[in-house]
Amino acid sequence: GENVEQHPSTLSVQEGDSAVIKCTYSDSASNYFPWYKQELGKRPQLIIDIRSNVGEKKDQRIAVTLNKTAKHFSLHITETQPEDSAVYFCAASKRDDKIIFGKGTRLHILP
Amino acid sequence: GAGVSQSPRYKVAKRGQDVALRCDPISGHVSLFWYQQALGQGPEFLTYFQNEAQLDKSGLPSDRFFAERPEGSVSTLKIQRTQQEDSAVYLCASTRGLGTDTQYFGPGTRLTVL
Repeated sequence: GENVEQHPSTLSVQEGDSAVIKCTYSDSASNYFPWYKQELGKRPQLIIDIRSNVGEKKDQRIAVTLNKTAKHFSLHITETQPEDSAVYFCAASKRDDKIIFGKGTRLHILP
Repeated sequence: GAGVSQSPRYKVAKRGQDVALRCDPISGHVSLFWYQQALGQGPEFLTYFQNEAQLDKSGLPSDRFFAERPEGSVSTLKIQRTQQEDSAVYLCASTRGLGTDTQYFGPGTRLTVL
């Protein structure tokens, strides 16, 4: 079955700098890659997703890139702000199938 | 409109007790998922329904776990003879259509087994 690896497990960046989180997946049939943000004690919230027919997607300060050949995808957050501090999860799925999550990256934005 | 809701939000059970966790998906959403999230971990898939049909239950950790969605809307996750390792947050998510639609999560039920 699908396996999603996520790195790093913890990331600290200075406010205003960029943060990058990387994930790899194992099942070449996966075609949907969402990213979730989870604040302490809250539910996961979708922040951006990408499907396998595109290589990059951007939404304001957040962008995601996908390399299908290498089976990896990344989340980029630019101009980080204190409210970006949270745990971020990548995930992978294929049509009509369950979503498999990575183990998460705890992002700390330093003042 | 109303999002996904779950009840109870917190549940404390003594080891060996049975528990039932409820999920109310967004009205009209076809697919419903259950996940288990241990402290400091990502959500782990448990089971998945499309309408009332349980299409995948490969993530259920043992036969003590049982889920149903008899009318294709509300779902119940039942855990029999709870064990301490069952302590976790149980998340429910629903999607409008197929599994690769956006999943909207409920607030979760935090289960603590003493």
